[in-house]
Amino acid sequence: AQTVTQSQPEMSVQEAETVTLSCTYDTSESDYYLFWYKQPPSRQMILVIRQEAYKQQNATENRFSVNFQKAAKSFSLKISDSQLGDAAMYFCAYRASQGGSEKLVFGKGTKLTVNP
Amino acid sequence: GAGVSQSPSNKVTEKGKDVELRCDPISGHTALYWYRQSLGQGLEFLIYFQGNSAPDKSGLPSDRFSAERTGGSVSTLTIQRTQQEDSAVYLCASSRFGGRFTNIQYFGAGTRLSVL
Repeated sequence: AQTVTQSQPEMSVQEAETVTLSCTYDTSESDYYLFWYKQPPSRQMILVIRQEAYKQQNATENRFSVNFQKAAKSFSLKISDSQLGDAAMYFCAYRASQGGSEKLVFGKGTKLTVNP
Repeated sequence: GAGVSQSPSNKVTEKGKDVELRCDPISGHTALYWYRQSLGQGLEFLIYFQGNSAPDKSGLPSDRFSAERTGGSVSTLTIQRTQQEDSAVYLCASSRFGGRFTNIQYFGAGTRLSVL
């Protein structure tokens, strides 16, 4: 079974600085999707960024970028120029690309605090 | 609608009572998912519906849990004879098939269930 590990329960960053959140996963599949979701206190999970495993190029979305290391099964999220609104729980998630069920497998999450 | 809508937002019930949680997915999304988020277990997949196919019920924790999706749209998650360990946030997500945004799950704000 696939597993996702986020080794940092909590992280903090100064406003305008850069922070990196770690995520590793375990799978025997060669093709899959990886996601970072943000969950603010409102509870609604918001997609931050998505990476397809067959693409070697790291995904970027404005201030958010990933470092995808397929061989190492690592998928870290870098937040540049951190803003107060970035404070939230961040979840790394895995989804198989084939095999029927499209369920997401989530890590335990990292709570990010942004200090003014 | 503009997003995934879940109701009620909060539900308090007594142990042993049945509860129904509702999810209204984004219009046109053929896939619908239920997840449970609890302090001890993190985010867990419960059930997945895709069009007219048989649902993937592999994540349902016991036979007290069931879900249906009527007319390929609204879904109801039913928990019978609730137990205190059922207390959690129940999240619903939907996704479309095909096109650039395929495989992206969009989440509702969840229903917080408290079993007294």
